[in-house]
Amino acid sequence: DIQMTQSPSTLSASVGDRVTITCRASQSISSWLAWYQQKPGKAPKLLIYKASSLESTVPSRFSGSGSGTEFTLTINSLQPDDFATYYCQQYSSYPRTFGQGTKVEIK
Amino acid sequence: EVQLVESGGGLVQPGGSLRLSCAASGFPFRSYWMSWVRQAPGKGLEWVANIKQDGSDKDYVDSVKGRFTISRDNAKNSLYLQMTCLRAEDTAVYYCASGGNTPFDTWGQGTLVTVSS
Repeated sequence: DIQMTQSPSTLSASVGDRVTITCRASQSISSWLAWYQQKPGKAPKLLIYKASSLESTVPSRFSGSGSGTEFTLTINSLQPDDFATYYCQQYSSYPRTFGQGTKVEIK
Repeated sequence: EVQLVESGGGLVQPGGSLRLSCAASGFPFRSYWMSWVRQAPGKGLEWVANIKQDGSDKDYVDSVKGRFTISRDNAKNSLYLQMTCLRAEDTAVYYCASGGNTPFDTWGQGTLVTVSS
């Protein structure tokens, strides 16, 4: 199984900050990586697919990069609506696996 | 409006069975891989199973193989998860999602399954 490891697990930031979350795969997944946002009590929402493609309706302050085993999700100018938990997920091979999540908290 | 609505969750005793359903609307259901993803209380996301458009290909996470069965009825725009031999560690919110061979781009609101005596 491909293990996905996110860092940090928790991140404290202020509105307007630039935030970066890292996701590492235990083996190469090419660009078969997605990022999701989840708010408490709600279903996850797809933000980024194929490592760097922005899902429609997602604000352009979100961006993704990377390939192989190392990936990043960047949020430019953090907004109040962005405080949530973020997950990476690989869809290169089975079983599909998620990172453990990164909670973005208000500083 | 694209929508997925799960139902069938509830409290079940260890060793019991439960069947989850997911009703899809607003998109061409028969053209999409479909999946179940679960989330234990306070924990992260775990992919459970997925099924190809015509039902000819199914995959499962190891922990549910032989106990859970994913199926679909394209005529009814519905996805199912038959769960047997349930264990305490199966306690979770179960989400229906479109995708599986691709990212999960639409999610239902989830249905809670609690396995407890």
